[in-house]
Parts: sequence; structure tokens; C-alpha cells
Amino acid sequence: DVVLTQTPPTLSATIGQSVSISCRSSQSLLHSNGNTYLHWLLQRPGQSPQLLIYSVSRLESGVPNRFSGSGSGTDFTLKISGVEAEDLGVYYCVQGTHAPWTFGGGTKLELK
Amino acid sequence: QVQLKESGPVLVQASETLSLTCTVSGFSLTNYGVIWVRQPPGKGLEWMGIIWRNGNTDYNSALKSRLSINRDTSKSQVFLKMNSLQTDDTAIYYCTRWYLSHWGQGVMVTVSS
Repeated sequence: DVVLTQTPPTLSATIGQSVSISCRSSQSLLHSNGNTYLHWLLQRPGQSPQLLIYSVSRLESGVPNRFSGSGSGTDFTLKISGVEAEDLGVYYCVQGTHAPWTFGGGTKLELK
Repeated sequence: QVQLKESGPVLVQASETLSLTCTVSGFSLTNYGVIWVRQPPGKGLEWMGIIWRNGNTDYNSALKSRLSINRDTSKSQVFLKMNSLQTDDTAIYYCTRWYLSHWGQGVMVTVSS
């Protein structure tokens, strides 16, 4: 199975600070159809996860454009340009290129 | 409006079988796959399996021997069955539409020994 390694496990930020989260895959996530199925989720405390970014860099409808995704192959990054209080929670990367799908271990974003 | 809702028992005895239902609205199961994800208390997300829009399934390797996912398209329902439950199967169980764009509220299932 594909292993996704997220770093850092915990991230402390002030409001307005820009932060990045890394997600590294144990194998390339480029599908034979040319797409890369690497997505990013946010789970706020006590809530269901929410899709932020799909297919590496595509912003889900309704998600603020301070969120952005980049990367290719095995290395991917989620960036938040100017953290807001509502962004606190746990971020997960997830791959859907190879069955079974797998999640990263999560990165908890806290207020400094 | 796309909605998913999980239902089923909140308490199950160890060694028994868990049966959960995901009832969807606002889309057709023949157009979108549905995924089951679980989350043990205080831990991360675990992908359990998917039933694709054509009815094919894929399962988590570690759960494959105990897990089955089926559906009734006429009722807009997806079913999860997992046997031989153990206490470490205690978790919140979510269903979500492919590609994780919409999630149910989750159902907390406790496995009692």
C-alpha cells in the first residue's frame, strides 16, 4: 500500500502567518490516465472532514483562495497564505491513485 | 443538495458483525462512488473501502477479509458490513461521496468486550 508521510505533525502559527504542510508518498501518484489524485482535507474539532484541494492544486468550491496546493510525483505541499482562526484543526493528505486509497497521518495546526 | 447520512447501532459486542447504512440524496449512486472512512477516538482517518459507480469495490488490505460494501441504487443506500469485530474497531464511521467532496456527520460505534 502507498504510505503518505506528512510533516510536520504539529504546526504552531499566529493569525496572518503563512504556513506549509508537506506530504510525501512512497510511490508516484501520477495515474496512468495522466491525473494525480492527491487531495487535502481539513478536520475541525468535532466536525467531519472537509475537502479543501483536489487533484493536487484544484480548489474545492467555496474554499477560500488563501489555500493552495502544489507538487507532483511523490512530493506535495499545502500552503495557507495568511492563517485565520477558522483554519485551526487537523489537515490530512489522501491519495486516490492507487487502491487502496490511503491517508497521511495528519498535521495539527494550532495557534501560537 | 448533496447529503449523506450514516445510520446503525452505536454499540456492538465483540466478535459480532457491524452493519451500517449510508443514505444519500442529491445524487445518484450510478453516477458517483461512495467511500467509507473511519476514525478511532483521538486518532487519524483510515480509508476502509469504496463502491464505485459501476458497483465494483475496492477494500483496505487490512480489512478486506472482514469487510463488504454493497448498495441498493433504488433506495440510494450503501451498506457496510464488517464481521469479527474487536474493541479496536471502535471508531466514528463516515461515508463520503467520491472524491471526498461531501461527508456524512459520522456515526460513533463502540465495540464492547
